[in-house]
Amino acid sequence: DIVMTQSPLSLPVTPGEPASISCRSSRSLLFSDGYNHLSWYLQKPGQSPQLLIYLGSHRASGVPDRFSGSGSGTDFTLRISRVEAEDVGVYYCMQALQNPWTFGQGTKVEIK
Amino acid sequence: QVQLVQSGAEVKKPGASVKISCRGSGYSFTGYFIHWVRQAPGQSLEWLGHINIDSGATTYAQKFQDRVTMTRDTSIKTAYMELASLKSDDTAVYYCARDPGDPTPIDYWGQGTQVTVSS
Repeated sequence: DIVMTQSPLSLPVTPGEPASISCRSSRSLLFSDGYNHLSWYLQKPGQSPQLLIYLGSHRASGVPDRFSGSGSGTDFTLRISRVEAEDVGVYYCMQALQNPWTFGQGTKVEIK
Repeated sequence: QVQLVQSGAEVKKPGASVKISCRGSGYSFTGYFIHWVRQAPGQSLEWLGHINIDSGATTYAQKFQDRVTMTRDTSIKTAYMELASLKSDDTAVYYCARDPGDPTPIDYWGQGTQVTVSS
């Protein structure tokens, strides 16, 4: 199975400041179709996960442009340019290259 | 708007089976995959497998291969996940989630169904 490793696991943030989360996979997620099969999800408290970024860097519909994804192969980053209070929750990366699809441990983002 | 509405919470005894439903609305239902993902208390997300709504073909995680069954009824836009031989560590929230197919991944999730396994 592909192992997904996120860091940090806890991220206290100040509103208006930037934040970033790292995700590393145990094998390359770059497929022959030219896409990195890596997605980012946010699970707000008490809610289901919601899609933020797919294929490494494509922002999902309705997602604010303060969220961006980058990286290729085995190393990926989710950035929030200016954190807002509504961004708190647990962020997960997920690989969809190979069955079983696997998730990172999650990064809990909270306001300082 | 796209919605996936799941059946309600279940309490089961060890060794029993549970069957959860997931009804889609706001989109065609066919032409997509439905995945099932679970989340144990305080834990990350774990993928159980998916079903191709058009063909009914299934792919299961090897860990659950011998005790999970995913089915669908397109006439009522509903997918099902049955997990057999329940153990206490199957206690989790189970989510269904929609997948439009390659190259895009899971884009919408159901509200989750709490399954508690306790004697």
